[in-house]
Amino acid sequence: QQQVKQSPQSLIVQKGGIPIINCAYENTAFDYFPWYQQFPGKGPALLIAIRPDVSEKKEGRFTISFNKSAKQFSLHIMDSQPGDSATYFCAASIIPGSARQLTFGSGTQLTVLP
Amino acid sequence: EAGVVQSPRYKIIEKKQPVAFWCNPISGHNTLYWYLQNLGQGPELLIRYENEEAVDDSQLPKDRFSAERLKGVDSTLKIQPAELGDSAVYLCASSSHGTSPYEQYFGPGTRLTVT
Repeated sequence: QQQVKQSPQSLIVQKGGIPIINCAYENTAFDYFPWYQQFPGKGPALLIAIRPDVSEKKEGRFTISFNKSAKQFSLHIMDSQPGDSATYFCAASIIPGSARQLTFGSGTQLTVLP
Repeated sequence: EAGVVQSPRYKIIEKKQPVAFWCNPISGHNTLYWYLQNLGQGPELLIRYENEEAVDDSQLPKDRFSAERLKGVDSTLKIQPAELGDSAVYLCASSSHGTSPYEQYFGPGTRLTVT
């Protein structure tokens, strides 16, 4: 029930395209859904996050769509750029006690061609 | 603000040898996490500290792994003895009770290769 399933494993788009990465979860206790971006040799960095009471959140070129009934959420990257080439992880979170416990998806390696 | 600092960045050891990783969290962050990241996978939590107390170590293989967080600041993760399957990236993260919703900030990780 703690698992978060992410797809696709890898994705290649042309510059300006709109890559979409999908995630699904089972545990309805999850109350926070962040996306992390990771470049080679770096740790994951928070990109954007959404709470389950909102169906969509947009920050710059990054948009999360959230479907609570289907227990699915997705990341859209508008006008993608070569600099967006990285590995993207979805995650789901609950708060046991005083800190968040993150469960990560398996990651999507995105390549944006110039 | 300085980020999470980890050292060493890379470590190559032979199997059965001991190894230790060090983490310095962001100043003022009460919560510290150690994650394991296998190649092509998302991070998996090994242990979480609240100040100097380990409050979640259920995923830490205690037969060979140990961790400590003296004085509630820096932390060390140790493996003894290392096995070939321990080759991975070990990530440290920290968060603050004062930050909503307790966002985790990750260090660059230590890439361990066991030969």
